[in-house]
Amino acid sequence: TQLLEQSPQFLSIQEGENLTVYCNSSSVFSSLQWYRQEPGEGPVLLVTVVTGGEVKKLKRLTFQFGDARKDSSLHITAAQPGDTGLYLCAGALTGANNLFFGTGTRLTVIP
Amino acid sequence: KAGVTQTPRYLIKTRGQQVTLSCSPISGHRSVSWYQQTPGQGLQFLFEYFSETQRNKGNFPGRFSGRQFSNSRSEMNVSTLELGDSALYLCASSSNPGTDVEQFFGPGTRLTVL
Repeated sequence: TQLLEQSPQFLSIQEGENLTVYCNSSSVFSSLQWYRQEPGEGPVLLVTVVTGGEVKKLKRLTFQFGDARKDSSLHITAAQPGDTGLYLCAGALTGANNLFFGTGTRLTVIP
Repeated sequence: KAGVTQTPRYLIKTRGQQVTLSCSPISGHRSVSWYQQTPGQGLQFLFEYFSETQRNKGNFPGRFSGRQFSNSRSEMNVSTLELGDSALYLCASSSNPGTDVEQFFGPGTRLTVL
């Protein structure tokens, strides 16, 4: 059983469309991170959110941490082919030094 | 500043053999974590080392072990390899292992067990 469930698992959209990826859990996290991983590479950190209700924007990407710190979402506006990759959420539990990763969302943006 | 490096990048072994993977963290980072990534299970935490001590361990059998050296470089070892050990093994380093768990990942070692 995964601590963090992501949806959808796969997403294929046209360039210019908007999309939202969800990351849900029944556990409360002290912080939550989003990563993007490309084939043959390790995950690259996109953002860390630490406060319930927090919203962070990174150009066309908007990240939100749920009020109860159990869930998060990633919204991409006007997707581009360069956004293609595996998106992973990862949560840190209080007192733990490791991350619990979500199941991943594989995004393909078609030109 | 150089990133996390892992060697080798690719490895092919047969069942029953053992393997050692190496990770060099970002300079100044003292915490090193290891993860196993498979298509079915995703990214699963193996263990974390800080100042040569294993501080945290995931739910993996004793065949998986690791260590960290005084220069923060880390190795992980898998003995008596099984087909199911085929995976991408990722190493991540962190500068502040307390409440700050922002980790920087290496490119991984792709292990194939035949």
